[in-house]
Amino acid sequence: EIVLTQSPDFQSVTPKEKVTITCRASERIGNTLHWYQQKPGQSPKLLIKYASQSFSGVPSRFSGSGSGTDFTLTINSLEAEDAATYYCHQSSRLPFTFGQGTKLEIK
Amino acid sequence: QLQVQESGPGLVKPSETLSLTCSASGGSISSSNYYWAWIRQPPGKGLEWIGSIYYSGSTYYNPSLKSRFTISVDTSKNQFSMKLSSVTAADTAVYYCARQLIAVGGYGWFDPWGQGTLVTVSS
Repeated sequence: EIVLTQSPDFQSVTPKEKVTITCRASERIGNTLHWYQQKPGQSPKLLIKYASQSFSGVPSRFSGSGSGTDFTLTINSLEAEDAATYYCHQSSRLPFTFGQGTKLEIK
Repeated sequence: QLQVQESGPGLVKPSETLSLTCSASGGSISSSNYYWAWIRQPPGKGLEWIGSIYYSGSTYYNPSLKSRFTISVDTSKNQFSMKLSSVTAADTAVYYCARQLIAVGGYGWFDPWGQGTLVTVSS
């Protein structure tokens, strides 16, 4: 199966900072990589589809990039409400897999 | 706007079978554009895809979970379901259902997700 490795596992950041989360795939997956945000006690919400396409209603401070094996989620000008765990997910090949998650703490 | 909602018991005894149902509202499960998926998340851990089903009944499962899972669909009720046999404490998790886009050339993202239902395996 395709293994997705995110970094970092945890990051403590201050509001208005720029945050970058990376997701590395164990095999080339083109652009079939999606990003989700999960706040405590809630279900995951789609942020970015196909590596760089913003999902409807997602604030413009969230953006994605990458293809092949290396992908990035960027949050510009972080807000307090962005405290959450972020997951990447590949839909290139069965079984579908997720990264281990990156937890963002707001200072 | 389509919504999905999980339902089922919150507590299951070891070795028994867990049954969960996902009900869709605001849209049809019989759409040719989507799969319908189950995903689980053990407490404090990450996400694990269990399997997906098409409205016709075609299924895809995560092979790492072996054959304990069965997913079915009932288009007349606009629902799909999962059964997990011989549960153990390791199956304690929040179980989510979600819609998955059928993309050109393959599969897409999961959206929307249900709110999730916590299933605890304990005697």
